[in-house]
Amino acid sequence: QVQLVESGGGLVKPGGSLRLSCAASGFTFSDHYMTWIRRTPGKGLEWVAYISDIGDTNSAGSVKGRFTISRDNAKRSLHLQMNSLRVEDTAVYYCARRRSSGWDLDYWGQGTLVTVSS
Amino acid sequence: QSVLTQPPSASGTPGQRVTISCSGSSSNIGISTVNWYQQLPGTAPKLLIYSNHQRPSGVPDRFSGSKSGTSASLAISGLQSEDEADYYCAAWDDSLNGYVFGSGTKVTVL
Repeated sequence: QVQLVESGGGLVKPGGSLRLSCAASGFTFSDHYMTWIRRTPGKGLEWVAYISDIGDTNSAGSVKGRFTISRDNAKRSLHLQMNSLRVEDTAVYYCARRRSSGWDLDYWGQGTLVTVSS
Repeated sequence: QSVLTQPPSASGTPGQRVTISCSGSSSNIGISTVNWYQQLPGTAPKLLIYSNHQRPSGVPDRFSGSKSGTSASLAISGLQSEDEADYYCAAWDDSLNGYVFGSGTKVTVL
């Protein structure tokens, strides 16, 4: 069965860095776009970044230039390098798989909590 | 400020029908299919409706979706206590070259 397991969250000071990872199993990882979505306290869900099956990427304006999404198809893993973290980046971060066609996210991980605080 | 607009809350008694609206624009809902996600307390979001009205395997037919122009809606008929959750609409936005979510609607079963 499809499984996505995030790791790497934690407490970090403003201006600090963190690297999130998502381990995928149960499907052909290299065939799918992958995304990072976050849920911030009181603001709901926000798309953070996506990476296509061939490595094209884009990120939301709120994180552009600070966050970098990457993937390792051989290791079936997705990553999010987060630099220059701000208090407003505090959220639960989810990795999610895009279905083969259309822009719906059919499988999600359980999430990892990132807290940015001094 | 979310790109897609939803009412912050909706409620109903068991068995009632509840409808949630989602308003967008010509750069997102107007040209893309709409998806709906359900997030139960303390859990990850779950795909509820895709391609405007399709239900993934396992989603009860009490849940239905529709789209017209730059708006979409989710209907829950025969409301049950386990339907208490946050519901989000979402769509691809061509102008932003990104995936946009609605502001979320909290459904309460009275």
